Amino acid sequence: AIQLTQSPSSLSASVGDRVTITCRASQGISSALAWYQQKPGKTPKLLIFEASNLDSGVPSRFSGSGSGTDFTLTISSLQPEDLSTYYCQQFNSYPLTFGGGTRVEIK
Amino acid sequence: EVQLVESGGVVVQPGGSLRLSCAASGFNFDDYTMHWVRQAPGKGLEWVSLISWDGGTTYYADSVKGRFTISRDNSKNSLYLQMNSLRTEDTAFYYCVKDIATDDVFDIWGQGTLVTVSS
Repeated sequence: AIQLTQSPSSLSASVGDRVTITCRASQGISSALAWYQQKPGKTPKLLIFEASNLDSGVPSRFSGSGSGTDFTLTISSLQPEDLSTYYCQQFNSYPLTFGGGTRVEIK
Repeated sequence: EVQLVESGGVVVQPGGSLRLSCAASGFNFDDYTMHWVRQAPGKGLEWVSLISWDGGTTYYADSVKGRFTISRDNSKNSLYLQMNSLRTEDTAFYYCVKDIATDDVFDIWGQGTLVTVSS
């Protein structure tokens, strides 16, 4: 199974900060990566698919990049409502797998 | 409005069985691959299983292979997960999830149903 390693596991940043989360795959997955946001007590929400494509309605401050084994999720200007845990997920091969999550806190 | 509503989560003893259901509405159910994803309380996400639009193709996580069976009834817009030989480590919220198409990306999630395996 392809393992996804997210870093950091948690971070604390101020409103307006640029935040970057990385996801590293144990083997190449082309661009078969998605990012999800899970707010406290809520179900996950799709943010980005195919590494860099924003899902409909997702604010433009979110962006994704990368291919192969190294990927990033960037929040260009952190907002209070971005308090969440973020997960990457690969869909290159079965079993589908998720990263361990990155908890984003607001200072 | 696209909606997925899970049911069937209860407290069950180790070794027991359970069937989860998911009622779908607001979209053409039989056009989409469907998934089950689970999340142990306070933990991360784990994909469990998928079924193709026609039920002809299924995949499972290694942790549930041979114990869980996914199925669907397109005439009832319903997805199911039969869970046998349950273990304490199966305790989790189980989410019914719609695929964005046939790409194994999860675009719509149900609210989840809690399965607790405990003696």
